[in-house]
Amino acid sequence: ETGVTQSPTHLIKTRGQQVTLRCSSQSGHNTVSWYQQALGQGPQFIFQYYREEENGRGNFPPRFSGLQFPNYSSELNVNALELDDSALYLCASSLSRGSYNEQFFGPGTRLTVL
Amino acid sequence: GENVGLHLPTLSVQEGDNSIINCAYSNSASDYFIWYKQESGKGPQFIIDIRSNMDKRQGQRVTVLLNKTVKHLSLQIAATQPGDSAVYFCADLRNSGNTPLVFGKGTRLSVIA
Repeated sequence: ETGVTQSPTHLIKTRGQQVTLRCSSQSGHNTVSWYQQALGQGPQFIFQYYREEENGRGNFPPRFSGLQFPNYSSELNVNALELDDSALYLCASSLSRGSYNEQFFGPGTRLTVL
Repeated sequence: GENVGLHLPTLSVQEGDNSIINCAYSNSASDYFIWYKQESGKGPQFIIDIRSNMDKRQGQRVTVLLNKTVKHLSLQIAATQPGDSAVYFCADLRNSGNTPLVFGKGTRLSVIA
């Protein structure tokens, strides 16, 4: 069984740039959720994708956007990066939307914005 | 706004002792809670969950207690081992609002060998 993988592991960008983070869901999972985890904080829900459609969004501005592909892998795009976007970005996959108690997290992508 | 938080940011325990990690919540409509463990360099890992119609649930070496009267839950780890060293989060699953899963700030558990 393949777990949730994310790439890249680390990334350094400057203010104003754009970034794309990638997530491969666990085999058989059709739902991917993205979270932002600032240093010393708990993860914050960004949005969820279910069968290629957005299925819920947290309190994040429109410059945070996502995609889910037919193989259920997903991308998180952030435009016009700000210093406060520096964080660990986690994706989690689950068998279906709403299965938050059965979601499996990837190791995250550490984004640093300078 | 309403949030899920933790009483203590750090906890150090001797190997073999029991650990108790506390969490307070303020959303009276919360009806489902999850405890996660996050080791360094890894994503959160599900430990145990509890619904509001229960006041106790046990897993392997872990017990979660829920006190709805004072809006408090705790995670008890029996016979704490070095592998239990991690940050522990409680999370609140909500049926309303646009954030389905709300995490607390976390407690770092350090096990002293």
